[in-house]
Amino acid sequence: GQQLNQSPQSMFIQEGEDVSMNCTSSSIFNTWLWYKQDPGEGPVLLIALYKAGELTSNGRLTAQFGITRKDSFLNISASIPSDVGIYFCAGQLKYGGSQGNLIFGKGTKLSVKP
Amino acid sequence: KAGVTQTPRYLIKTRGQQVTLSCSPISGHRSVSWYQQTPGQGLQFLFEYFSETQRNKGNFPGRFSGRQFSNSRSEMNVSTLELGDSALYLCASSWAGGDYGYTFGSGTRLTVV
Repeated sequence: GQQLNQSPQSMFIQEGEDVSMNCTSSSIFNTWLWYKQDPGEGPVLLIALYKAGELTSNGRLTAQFGITRKDSFLNISASIPSDVGIYFCAGQLKYGGSQGNLIFGKGTKLSVKP
Repeated sequence: KAGVTQTPRYLIKTRGQQVTLSCSPISGHRSVSWYQQTPGQGLQFLFEYFSETQRNKGNFPGRFSGRQFSNSRSEMNVSTLELGDSALYLCASSWAGGDYGYTFGSGTRLTVV
């Protein structure tokens, strides 16, 4: 089945640093989504990308839909303590006129540098 | 605008029992999907319902089933529970099958002992 490779698995951030993570797939997707999940909560949608090559920002977050439709990256600029959490990428295929289910990466866990 | 509501938040069940989880989508959303989240397997798709019909199904055994009612509320049922069914079960709703992204609920944490 389809799999998404998300990297890095974990990283430590210091306030003010920029953060970058990415997802790659062996299959193409019509849509790439980035979610953040806090402990005890469900994932919250951060950015949705619908077109190959698209670059979209949401505040300090910027994400891009790769030209090959097989990859996407998420950048967080000037990180703050509340950025801590688990970030998931998700790919979605269109079929029968509507979008299919989400295929998720394993997540990137952001923690604060000790 | 109320978000996606899942009940109960926590459940403890014994092996062999069955369980029913409930999800109320955002008002107006007609698509409801269910996902299982475990530390080992991550987030995996169970099934999706749209207008009371199962439109898509993941690779889970038949012990996992679901349904959707006319008001778009959905339930999922797991019969003959196994220890490995312990997980966070997440429900996600969307306007028309995910065209504008899915909104997730906070999940139901199921523990099977």
